Amino acid sequence: KNEVEQSPQNLTAQEGEFITINCSYSVGISALHWLQQHPGGGIVSLFMLSSGKKKHGRLIATINIQEKHSSLHITASHPRDSAVYICAASSGTYKYIFGTGTRLKVLA
Amino acid sequence: EPEVTQTPSHQVTQMGQEVILRCVPISNHLYFYWYRQILGQKVEFLVSFYNNEISEKSEIFDDQFSVERPDGSNFTLKIRSTKLEDSAMYFCASSEGTVGTQYFGPGTRLLVL
Repeated sequence: KNEVEQSPQNLTAQEGEFITINCSYSVGISALHWLQQHPGGGIVSLFMLSSGKKKHGRLIATINIQEKHSSLHITASHPRDSAVYICAASSGTYKYIFGTGTRLKVLA
Repeated sequence: EPEVTQTPSHQVTQMGQEVILRCVPISNHLYFYWYRQILGQKVEFLVSFYNNEISEKSEIFDDQFSVERPDGSNFTLKIRSTKLEDSAMYFCASSEGTVGTQYFGPGTRLLVL
């Protein structure tokens, strides 16, 4: 059974800070996903990773397959980045296995 | 940009009543999913659906739940006799393939009284 763990659970940052959210998983995966959940509940996919690193704007996602670990970084954080960030693993059986999420609040 | 839509956005029902949650996946997607999120908890997988049949279901998806693709566009989740513990946000998602990105609908918030 694959378990997906995230840390920290809650994170408060000042505007402009560099933010890192960590995710670890327990078994082999076909892909690791980072998603953003807005206060109203909607879920948006940010990245899908199977190796290496991806960048989109101020967001960077990395994965280390050997260590079963992924990180999401936000550079120059802004209050509009405040949301819940979730990692999810998929392992070839279609479904996503979700982590518990990291609630990020960026203060102006 | 194509998106997954869900109706209704909110539903309140009495315990024991049947509810049907509706989803319209992205039109060229072939794989469909339902997930739920109880307030304050993580998102949980319920069921995946491909080629008009269930591909996988979780332990949560018991005999009270069923899914259907009644026509070429809709994908529904039915709960036959709702319980208090069914209160949650229900998300529909769709994807082109098995490993690709899933696109989520905005959710239906179900409250069972």
